[in-house]
Amino acid sequence: GAVVSQHPSRVICKSGTSVKIECRSLDFQATTMFWYRQFPKQSLMLMATSNEGSKATYEQGVEKDKFLINHASLTLSTLTVTSAHPEDSSFYICSAESARAKNIQYFGAGTRLSVL
Amino acid sequence: RKEVEQDPGPFNVPEGATVAFNCTYSNSASQSFFWYRQDCRKEPKLLMSVYSSGNEDGRFTAQLNRASQYISLLIRDSKLSDSATYLCVVNPYGQNFVFGPGTRLSVLP
Repeated sequence: GAVVSQHPSRVICKSGTSVKIECRSLDFQATTMFWYRQFPKQSLMLMATSNEGSKATYEQGVEKDKFLINHASLTLSTLTVTSAHPEDSSFYICSAESARAKNIQYFGAGTRLSVL
Repeated sequence: RKEVEQDPGPFNVPEGATVAFNCTYSNSASQSFFWYRQDCRKEPKLLMSVYSSGNEDGRFTAQLNRASQYISLLIRDSKLSDSATYLCVVNPYGQNFVFGPGTRLSVLP
């Protein structure tokens, strides 16, 4: 089946640093990728939707200058958490939608971010 | 009212039991429905799509009732490995996936 690789799986950083998370579709082209955040014991919350070659669409309440998304190719999207703070500590998961199967999202393994 | 609602559980059942999860959604324009399974601290994985005619995959049966805006998942002969959180996911036409809060299942030996 379709594979989405997300890297890194775990990040521990100091407050004020920026963290980049990569999401790659390994065996299919992903015209659309999604970034989610999940706090402990809560459901996934969509942060933003990115389409290849265009600006990301952010959900209400998500700061676009704080969470920079770049979808430069059909197989790669990146999320950069700028000037991370402890309240940004969370589980970030990306998903990709295949150009051939628009109804299904394939998820990366997630990135656990801990900001000290 | 939340877009997708589920009983959070937890459901604690013995091995071999049959357990059913319910999910309701508010957007009547919703077109696609799914059940995802999420293990603790892992990404969600697609368990099955839900079709209007209902569908079955081994021990798992999904049902959709559009009139009542209701989706169900039935697990028969529960295994220890079925312990996870089950997420109901709705995809309103042209919009992004909306996840329910999930229902936690613990299958006990």
